[in-house]
Amino acid sequence: NAGVMQNPRHLVRRRGQEARLRCSPMKGHSHVYWYRQLPEEGLKFMVYLQKENIIDESGMPKERFSAEFPKEGPSILRIQQVVRGDSAAYFCASSPPPRLAGMAGELFFGEGSRLTVL
Amino acid sequence: AQTVTQSQPEMSVQEAETVTLSCTYDTSESNYYLFWYKQPPSRQMILVIRQEAYKQQNATENRFSVNFQKAAKSFSLKISDSQLGDTAMYFCAFRGGYGGATNKLIFGTGTLLAVQP
Repeated sequence: NAGVMQNPRHLVRRRGQEARLRCSPMKGHSHVYWYRQLPEEGLKFMVYLQKENIIDESGMPKERFSAEFPKEGPSILRIQQVVRGDSAAYFCASSPPPRLAGMAGELFFGEGSRLTVL
Repeated sequence: AQTVTQSQPEMSVQEAETVTLSCTYDTSESNYYLFWYKQPPSRQMILVIRQEAYKQQNATENRFSVNFQKAAKSFSLKISDSQLGDTAMYFCAFRGGYGGATNKLIFGTGTLLAVQP
């Protein structure tokens, strides 16, 4: 059973370009979470999605950032008009629905996508 | 809002010795879940141990155990017989009870543990 797959692992963009990060959850998982880790800092929650629905986007910056998790295909975190401050590692995690796993169920993390903005 | 605090940015321990990493949290909920995750240099987040707040018994996983003090809102991690492979960043995390907050994990800022040979 493959784990959470994130790609690309490394992405370099120039200021003003767009970055798209993809996340394929573990098989059977319908819930996806995105976190951002700035250098020397912990993981900051960004957004929580289930298929075709955003559950909690309280950690998403109000501008330039968006996320989706379509019925088919991976979850996408999109950053428009990137700036140097967007340079970070972006982690995706997945879990089964809470009613199946219970709230003690762990989140399974991908290996992260490292974005560098020049 | 819930917060998680790890007051030790870095720690060092000799191989085979025991080390304790501290974590405190703040919440108004009575039912919640606590986790310790490990992030080695590979950057993969790995679950070390979990604790359900309604359980009084401290969780144990092989060399890893926790000291959960609910009244004090404290959740420390003890690593016994430290091994070189334990060198990593350790994150404490909080998750609210089902039906309250969403399912997201709230992380502390981490403690970088170095195991010395």
